[in-house]
Amino acid sequence: DIQMTQSPSSLSASVGDRVTITCRASQSMSSYLNWYQQKPGKAPELLIYAATTLQSGFPSRFSGSGSGIDFTLTIGSLQPEDFASYYCQQTFRTPWTFGQGTKVEIK
Amino acid sequence: QVQLQESGPGLVMPSQTLSLTCSVSGGSISSGSYFWSWIRQPAGKGLEWIGRIYTSGSTNFHPSLKSRVTMSVDTSKNQFSLRLTSVTAADTAVYYCARVVEWEVDPYYFYYMDVWGKGTTVTVSS
Repeated sequence: DIQMTQSPSSLSASVGDRVTITCRASQSMSSYLNWYQQKPGKAPELLIYAATTLQSGFPSRFSGSGSGIDFTLTIGSLQPEDFASYYCQQTFRTPWTFGQGTKVEIK
Repeated sequence: QVQLQESGPGLVMPSQTLSLTCSVSGGSISSGSYFWSWIRQPAGKGLEWIGRIYTSGSTNFHPSLKSRVTMSVDTSKNQFSLRLTSVTAADTAVYYCARVVEWEVDPYYFYYMDVWGKGTTVTVSS
């Protein structure tokens, strides 16, 4: 299985902060990397797919980068509605696997 | 737009079989470059992919669950289903169904889950 390691597992930040979450794969996987946002008690929502493509409906302050092994999710200016958990997922090879998640909390 | 809704028992006895159905509305389960997936999430923990099914019936499962999982699709009812046998407390989780997009960007095929059900909580307990 491809192991996905996210860091940090949690972070505290203020509104307006720039936030970066990283995801590292145990093997190279081109751009087969998706990001999901999950708010408490809700289903995950697709945020970014194929490493860099922003899903319709999400604002441009979210961006994704990376290829191969290392990937990054960046929130350019954190807004109150962005406080949530974020998961990366690889779909390069089955079984598809997720990172353990990053919880973004209010400082 | 397409919506998914999970349904099934919220409580399953240990050693019994968990059966869930995902109903697709707002579009045909057979249309487009899509297939279908199940994911679960134990309380307070991360996401685990269970498997996927094409409308042809072809499936792929997580190796850790492969011996206990079956999936099926009923195109006439616009539904797909999950069965997990011999359940234990470790199978207690919120179960989600999701639509998987197959996106061709020559020469690659990218996959991502763009529509999710709201999830259904399944507790395994006597």
